[in-house]
This record gives sequence, C-alpha cells and structure tokens, in this order.
Amino acid sequence: GDSVTQMEGPVTLSEEAFLTINCTYTATGYPSLFWYVQYPGEGLQLLLKATKADDKGSNKGFEATYRKETTSFHLEKGSVQVSDSAVYFCALSHTGGFKTIFGAGTRLFVKA
Amino acid sequence: GAVVSQHPSWVICKSGTSVKIECRSLDFQATTMFWYRQFPKQSLMLMATSNEGSKATYEQGVEKDKFLINHASLTLSTLTVTSAHPEDSSFYICSARVGDFAGANVLTFGAGSRLTVL
Repeated sequence: GDSVTQMEGPVTLSEEAFLTINCTYTATGYPSLFWYVQYPGEGLQLLLKATKADDKGSNKGFEATYRKETTSFHLEKGSVQVSDSAVYFCALSHTGGFKTIFGAGTRLFVKA
Repeated sequence: GAVVSQHPSWVICKSGTSVKIECRSLDFQATTMFWYRQFPKQSLMLMATSNEGSKATYEQGVEKDKFLINHASLTLSTLTVTSAHPEDSSFYICSARVGDFAGANVLTFGAGSRLTVL
C-alpha cells in the first residue's frame, strides 16, 4: 500500500539556518503531495502542495519539489525563524480518492 | 478560508463513561469528514471516514462499537468514545476536504481534542 517516510526528529536549528526535512513516498500512480504543519496547541494546516512531477510548492519561504524519479518531496527553507518551530507532516493523496496518508511527522525546534 | 471547529479541545473523564467530540465546518458544507487519532510523537492514524447521511467507513482494526461516528448534517460530525478506558486516552483530530484544487485533495483540520481517561 501507499506510504510516506520522513526523517526522524527532532531537528534543532539556530535562527537563520537552512532547513531540509526529507520525505520519500511509495505509491501507485501519481499522487498529489503535501506538507502540513502543526504549531504547538493547534491543528494541522496545509503548508504547501504539488500535484504533478516537477511541480514546486511554496509558501511562507518554504519550498518542496515533486521528484518522481526519486519519489521524494523534501521540504526546504533558506532561513528559519523561531516561529517556524512546529511539527511538519509530509502526506500524499490520490486524485479522486479520499484517503490522505501521512508521514510520522518531524518536530523542528528553532533557537534564537 | 475553510474553517473546522472541534469541541471540546480537552476533556477528562472517568473510566467507563462516554465522551462525545464534535467537529463542525463553519463556512462550508462537508459531505465527508475524517477522524484521526494521534499518539505522542507519532503520526496521524485514520480511524474512520464520516459520510453525511450514511454510515461511517472504519479503518481496519478500529472498533465500530467503541468509536461511534454520526454525520447527521453537512456541517457536523460527532465522534463518541463509548465506555472509555485509559488506553483510549489520546489526541483526536477531525478534518474535512475543502474540494479539489487542480486535482489535489486538500484537508482542513480541527484543532484537536485531547482525551484523558482516568
């Protein structure tokens, strides 16, 4: 079945550091890929998405590119802020399907 | 934007009692909602898909009689944990699809409900 694997956390960075959170997936066909973020005490919210190969999703300085050849969707940000501290979930979903498959989540701590 | 409201945000109950969690779509109609359970330091586990006006579809291994789901209107789904026990203590999160955007199934989530069973 479909699955999403993302790097284990926690990831601890200093402010303005470069962030990469790796995500790979296993799926039939061509799913849509997502990054969701969960800030402390809040529900998940969509951070960015990509619906086909080579698409780049971006939002709030975060980027991720849909790489079909490596089945990856790594999340990057050039300069993190303390306010980026949260848990980040990589996910996939098939068009027309109802289920969204989530990775285990990666907790990010950003120090001032 | 689409907002999902979940209530209560936290609840403590005694073992053997039942607890109801509500999930409302505030500014859109949700024919389908999803209930997840999130364990500490773990990902979201899909428990069931709630369909307006019909029975919920439960994932394998989820007890239907333990976790009762009702989706009586286009804006409200409820999860009732019946005869709760300490092992049911968890963070429960609901979500709804907000439509397809270029083929993507985007979800909007409630803030979650933390259940503690004593």
